[in-house]
Amino acid sequence: EPEVTQTPSHQVTQMGQEVILRCVPISNHLYFYWYRQILGQKVEFLVSFYNNEISEKSEIFDDQFSVERPDGSNFTLKIRSTKLEDSAMYFCASSESGPGNTIYFGEGSWLTVV
Amino acid sequence: AQTVTQSQPEMSVQEAETVTLSCTYDTSENNYYLFWYKQPPSRQMILVIRQEAYKQQNATENRFSVNFQKAAKSFSLKISDSQLGDTAMYFCAFHSQQAGTALIFGKGTTLSVSS
Repeated sequence: EPEVTQTPSHQVTQMGQEVILRCVPISNHLYFYWYRQILGQKVEFLVSFYNNEISEKSEIFDDQFSVERPDGSNFTLKIRSTKLEDSAMYFCASSESGPGNTIYFGEGSWLTVV
Repeated sequence: AQTVTQSQPEMSVQEAETVTLSCTYDTSENNYYLFWYKQPPSRQMILVIRQEAYKQQNATENRFSVNFQKAAKSFSLKISDSQLGDTAMYFCAFHSQQAGTALIFGKGTTLSVSS
């Protein structure tokens, strides 16, 4: 069964460093997403991406964050100048079409900022 | 803005018994989609079941079924014949057809199944 894959599964970084989280969405999917889950809290939407541009973003997704689809398969989340409060599980997800279609999640990338 | 409320932070059930997890939501829209996701200790988000708001029939998926009450904006998940592997955090989620593509999650219910 096709699945969303994410790398790395766990990354530890120093405060102030830049981090890139990578994702390979399911191949025929058109919408891509990043969500975040701080330990013990609910899953929060960060950004959605369609047709090579951001289609929607939340208040969390400020200038510190950026997304990119550098080629036909990868979808990346870049976090510049990381802060302690960026420590969280970051989930990549994809869906075949727009709103209402099932969103499939990857296994997550656990980011620890020290 | 849409909101999703899960009022049960924790639930526990014995193996083979039935348990119901509650979810309510708030929206002014008529067409939307509702989901239950399971997050086991591995922390992966796994789709359990999906319901389209325009369908009156409740969705079922093997031992999992929902009770969708559109007028009451309620979307509960029933797990029959609970198994140890059902132990996980369960998230209810709302997906609007009109407001954009963000999936809105509730805070989750931790379900523990014991033998």
